[in-house]
Amino acid sequence: ELKVEQNPLFLSMQEGKNYTIYCNYSTTSDRLYWYRQDPGKSLESLFVLLSNGAVKQEGRLMASLDTKARLSTLHITAAVHDLSATYFCAVDEKTSYDKVIFGPGTSLSVIP
Amino acid sequence: DAGVIQSPRHEVTEMGQEVTLRCKPISGHNSLFWYRQTMMRGLELLIYFNNNVPIDDSGMPEDRFSAKMPNASFSTLKIQPSEPRDSAVYFCASSLSLMDGPGYGYTFGSGTRLTVV
Repeated sequence: ELKVEQNPLFLSMQEGKNYTIYCNYSTTSDRLYWYRQDPGKSLESLFVLLSNGAVKQEGRLMASLDTKARLSTLHITAAVHDLSATYFCAVDEKTSYDKVIFGPGTSLSVIP
Repeated sequence: DAGVIQSPRHEVTEMGQEVTLRCKPISGHNSLFWYRQTMMRGLELLIYFNNNVPIDDSGMPEDRFSAKMPNASFSTLKIQPSEPRDSAVYFCASSLSLMDGPGYGYTFGSGTRLTVV
């Protein structure tokens, strides 16, 4: 059974600092997704990582995937307050039907 | 495309009443998922459909919950009778299944915030 873990679960960081959120998963998969959720809002797709070594960047966020280590990272560069949100990773369960398993989420708070 | 459309956005009901949540997926998407989100349990997958057929309903908490997808553009999640512990945000999401495309993840609806008093 696929299990997805994230750490940290809660992160408070100062503006301008760098930090990394980690997503570990328990069984083989080569597709991983990152989502963002603002308080009281829906989930928004950030990145889709479809192969080992994939790296995607958007603004101050960069995501990578290492399928051999079963690890994805979401790196935050020079954080700004607007990045405050909960970040979820989701791993494809490798069925034929696009079912993914979500991690518990990392609640990020960027403090001025 | 207007995205995944859910209704109602908010629902307040009394314990014992029937509640029906509705979802219209993105046109062309052939997988549809119902999730429940609470602070205590996070995001829970309740049921998912592929080409209107229920594939896995193992996440449905009990017989009080049922879901249907009568056609490619509409799905419902029904709770009967509702209980206070059903209070949560219910999300519908749709995607193009991996069998038919490269897999770009889900598009979520805005959610229905259900409060059972």
